[in-house]
Amino acid sequence: EAQVTQNPRYLITVTGKKLTVTCSQNMNHEYMSWYRQDPGLGLRQIYYSMNVEVTDKGDVPEGYKVSRKEKRNFPLILESPSPNQTSLYFCASSPEVGLAGREQYFGPGTRLTVL
Amino acid sequence: AQTVTQSQPEMSVQEAETVTLSCTYDTSESNYYLFWYKQPPSRQMILVIRQEAYKQQNATENRFSVNFQKAAKSFSLKISDSQLGDTAMYFCALRSNDYKLSFGAGTTVTVRA
Repeated sequence: EAQVTQNPRYLITVTGKKLTVTCSQNMNHEYMSWYRQDPGLGLRQIYYSMNVEVTDKGDVPEGYKVSRKEKRNFPLILESPSPNQTSLYFCASSPEVGLAGREQYFGPGTRLTVL
Repeated sequence: AQTVTQSQPEMSVQEAETVTLSCTYDTSESNYYLFWYKQPPSRQMILVIRQEAYKQQNATENRFSVNFQKAAKSFSLKISDSQLGDTAMYFCALRSNDYKLSFGAGTTVTVRA
């Protein structure tokens, strides 16, 4: 089944404790992206990647890191989480850079709470 | 920079009736794509409909249709014959050629039985 998976689905952590949210897609998509969803703000892009070893900042990159060592994986890293990073996070992928009209396929979301 | 604005935080509609969600956007790109995504209580993001900016014909997908007014930068979604399963948050989104997808704040739609 074609899908985007994220782990964990729920996470409660404390300020300053490094964490990684994994994202994996099995559709051989080149483009992957991370978003955070907050009430009244919709989804905002954190980082995106157009291919292996190619990443770029979105609208709200502060406090986050990403890497794209393999095509299928795009982990989101919070080196020192803070309470303002409490949010719902989505990973998404889409086929073939250059086809902006292609649908983005979203993962199930990760609910992160930072105490 | 590109922005997407949804001015209706919440809407309520009777089952079988029609509801229209508004969306306005701004972009400096001449070619871009507009989307409506549905997010039910499960939180899964589901593509409802897509519109290419260079196509004048409004997109339609079963009970969902859009009114795309390029000059006015408006992209409204009409849900006809509303069903209980349409209850969800709906997001308008814009994707320009730099591959950045920008979302509006969302509109919560409640379908009443």
